Amino acid sequence: KNQVEQSPQSLIILEGKNCTLQCNYTVSPFSNLRWYKQDTGRGPVSLTIMTFSENTKSNGRYTATLDADTKQSSLHITASQLSDSASYICVVSRGTGNQFYFGTGTSLTVIP
Amino acid sequence: NAGVTQTPKFQVLKTGQSMTLQCAQDMNHNSMYWYRQDPGMGLRLIYYSASEGTTDKGEVPNGYNVSRLNKREFSLRLESAAPSQTSVYFCARGAWETQYFGPGTRLLVL
Repeated sequence: KNQVEQSPQSLIILEGKNCTLQCNYTVSPFSNLRWYKQDTGRGPVSLTIMTFSENTKSNGRYTATLDADTKQSSLHITASQLSDSASYICVVSRGTGNQFYFGTGTSLTVIP
Repeated sequence: NAGVTQTPKFQVLKTGQSMTLQCAQDMNHNSMYWYRQDPGMGLRLIYYSASEGTTDKGEVPNGYNVSRLNKREFSLRLESAAPSQTSVYFCARGAWETQYFGPGTRLLVL
């Protein structure tokens, strides 16, 4: 069964600290993996997209990693800011069609 | 809004009423999508359209219909709303590399 699981479900960290969010998937055949940030009351916004051959990709303070062998990805946030408070969603696409599998997201709260 | 506009932003319906959620893009993408997002669940695909005039069912199409009359617009229709359709609905445009989501429509069915 094609699934995407994220952990932790929620996370609270102090401003300035780092954190890592996890994404495990069973989607096959794998096409690409994306991380989205969704602010409360808004639509998701793409942070990174990774293909099978990519191990690491950065976008400012966000760094995503992908291990296609173990089917795991992580999103590392460095020097967190209050504006990082949001839900982070992992999405894996399958094959060459419009098949996208969404995780339930990790809710991150950054406190002063 | 990532080049995707959705109307209305909020809507309250009574069971059995019908309505159409509107979505428009300004970036000329072929593909457009309708998702619903419910608490504790990931975004689920309702319908998608790979090009003008074509539509395909997603994971949860029951109770919905869609229309893609031109490249710019993709509408979602609830013919007879049910409380189970209370949700936040997102329209998206895009393709393989990424998707761009609209701001969402919050729908409450009483």
